[in-house]
Amino acid sequence: GENVEQHPSTLSVQEGDSAVIKCTYSDSASNYFPWYKQELGKGPQLIIDIRSNVGEKKDQRIAVTLNKTAKHFSLHITETQPEDSAVYFCAASTAGANSKLTFGKGITLSVRP
Amino acid sequence: DTAVSQTPKYLVTQMGNDKSIKCEQNLGHDTMYWYKQDSKKFLKIMFSYNNKELIINETVPNRFSPKSPDKAHLNLHINSLELGDSAVYFCASSHPSPGTRKIGELFFGEGSRLTVL
Repeated sequence: GENVEQHPSTLSVQEGDSAVIKCTYSDSASNYFPWYKQELGKGPQLIIDIRSNVGEKKDQRIAVTLNKTAKHFSLHITETQPEDSAVYFCAASTAGANSKLTFGKGITLSVRP
Repeated sequence: DTAVSQTPKYLVTQMGNDKSIKCEQNLGHDTMYWYKQDSKKFLKIMFSYNNKELIINETVPNRFSPKSPDKAHLNLHINSLELGDSAVYFCASSHPSPGTRKIGELFFGEGSRLTVL
């Protein structure tokens, strides 16, 4: 089955700096890679996703890059703000509507004011 | 209106008891899930139902029995609770990406924190 590794496990940045979170996956059949943000006491929420027919996707301050050859993908957050502090999960799955999404272990991002 | 709602939000119980967590979604989605999040924040899928039919059943003890009376509800019943069952349980729902048959966004509830003493 799919195995998704996420690193680092914690990350602390100064407000305004950029943050990069990296994930690797094992199953070459995976072709859907979402990122979820979980705030304290809440359920995870999708922030951006990428499918394997593109290498990069951007949405305002966040971007995701995908390297299918190396089986890794990354989340980039620019101009970080205190409200970006949360747990971030990467995930991978195949594309079918009933596919299983496998999550990484999550990374706690702290943005220092 | 809450899209995916779970009850109860908190549940404290003794070992050996039986308990249920209810989940309802008003998004019109066909697929619903139960995920378990342990103390280290690891999110692991337990079950997935599509239109009341079981699709995914991970290696979960048969003390856990999901029930889907209709496609808007997926309840989780746990028998003979053990200390290791303490976790936050998340219900989620999803629908294929518009115009495709591809997996779409998962919408999670706010979680039900189960503490077994």
